[in-house]
Amino acid sequence: ETGVTQTPRHLVMGMTNKKSLKCEQHLGHNAMYWYKQSAKKPLELMFVYNFKEQTENNSVPSRFSPECPNSSHLFLHLHTLQPEDSALYLCASSQDAGTGYNEQFFGPGTRLTVL
Amino acid sequence: AQSVSQHNHHVILSEAASLELGCNYSYGGTVNLFWYVQYPGQHLQLLLKYFSGDPLVKGIKGFEAEFIKSKFSFNLRKPSVQWSDTAEYFCAVNAAGGGNKLTFGTGTQLKVEL
Repeated sequence: ETGVTQTPRHLVMGMTNKKSLKCEQHLGHNAMYWYKQSAKKPLELMFVYNFKEQTENNSVPSRFSPECPNSSHLFLHLHTLQPEDSALYLCASSQDAGTGYNEQFFGPGTRLTVL
Repeated sequence: AQSVSQHNHHVILSEAASLELGCNYSYGGTVNLFWYVQYPGQHLQLLLKYFSGDPLVKGIKGFEAEFIKSKFSFNLRKPSVQWSDTAEYFCAVNAAGGGNKLTFGTGTQLKVEL
């Protein structure tokens, strides 16, 4: 595997379910990001991790819980979601998140549908 | 907080036509500017970026963008588009010195017809 991978690619869940999204980067980077892309809205940054430490939480509801066990893996734990949370969730990585000069590399995304 | 506006949501061009996609941002400080592209079925990937220096930057596949500070703009251009340029194009900014937190525009869907 190369680049940034995300699993699953598609997920359908009920509002009472608990599920997790997984992201893995094979680029040797130290920063990882979660973005949300809703229809007709810009990509929204959700969380940033730099060297496994969370450095940004963009006012994301607590029903989204990120986890970064190491610099190569990032999870997004989902529970008690709402239908309006249906969106494409993108993961990205970069060399680090301390400056704005590092290119972010994106994964293919997980298409989430909440029923 | 920054915001980014992309005024053209859908653009349809014939092959060999010239392209210009608008991008305006609002932020009072120094910014880094990016254009990302997403080809059908592929990941978002970086097309070009501007940090400082020459305001005209060149990227991959013949694309270029010009930073006009007085207009808070970073428009993307290509003199002659090809069918393979059909894709969605996203402008993004981050505050220089503010970490790597990108703010994206809504994107422009470009369709190039043969």
